[in-house]
Amino acid sequence: GAGVSQTPSNKVTEKGKYVELRCDPISGHTALYWYRQSLGQGPEFLIYFQGTGAADDSGLPNDRFFAVRPEGSVSTLKIQRTERGDSAVYLCASSSSFSSYNEQFFGPGTRLTVL
Amino acid sequence: AQSVTQLGSHVSVSEGALVLLRCNYSSSVPPYLFWYVQYPNQGLQLLLKYTSAATLVKGINGFEAEFKKSETSFHLTKPSAHMSDAAEYFCAVSPSSNTGKLIFGQGTTLQVKP
Repeated sequence: GAGVSQTPSNKVTEKGKYVELRCDPISGHTALYWYRQSLGQGPEFLIYFQGTGAADDSGLPNDRFFAVRPEGSVSTLKIQRTERGDSAVYLCASSSSFSSYNEQFFGPGTRLTVL
Repeated sequence: AQSVTQLGSHVSVSEGALVLLRCNYSSSVPPYLFWYVQYPNQGLQLLLKYTSAATLVKGINGFEAEFKKSETSFHLTKPSAHMSDAAEYFCAVSPSSNTGKLIFGQGTTLQVKP
């Protein structure tokens, strides 16, 4: 079956611009996670959703970052006034529930480059 | 706060040799531990996980890991490396069972030489 998909696969933008990154989870998965992976680093947790609500957004670096999941399926990560330091690969994962017992399935990521 | 340390950002082995990738965690409570693999241009894939059952965990592709509470370690091993094992490997910890939030180590790149 289809895995987690993320669009676009690459995004180049200029400093100060607004960007949206989209994640389509595996059908039926109620939990959805966003991570950020900078060059040479492991993924860093940003936020996760259980259904439509953000259960934990403690990893969002500041108020320029925001994520939504209005219908409990597709999620969008929004970044306002982008900065060069936002350049990274943004990863999305989904699982059948938020428990640690359940495997997270990762998408291929969106590579964001801020010039 | 929980954290994960992977010793060695790059490990190189010969084909057929033992693979040992090291991971140490800091946790005040029994953790949930994971190893993920990332092949070039692919998403992260779960290799194995420890969730307080057996301390020796077997995963996919012949990998296994042993949870050692006394050493706060969860090292990944494979008896005989294949060329196809060349990838980046991440150790991760989850703070508790009722959140899937993962805290990752910095990763270890495994090179397999013919």
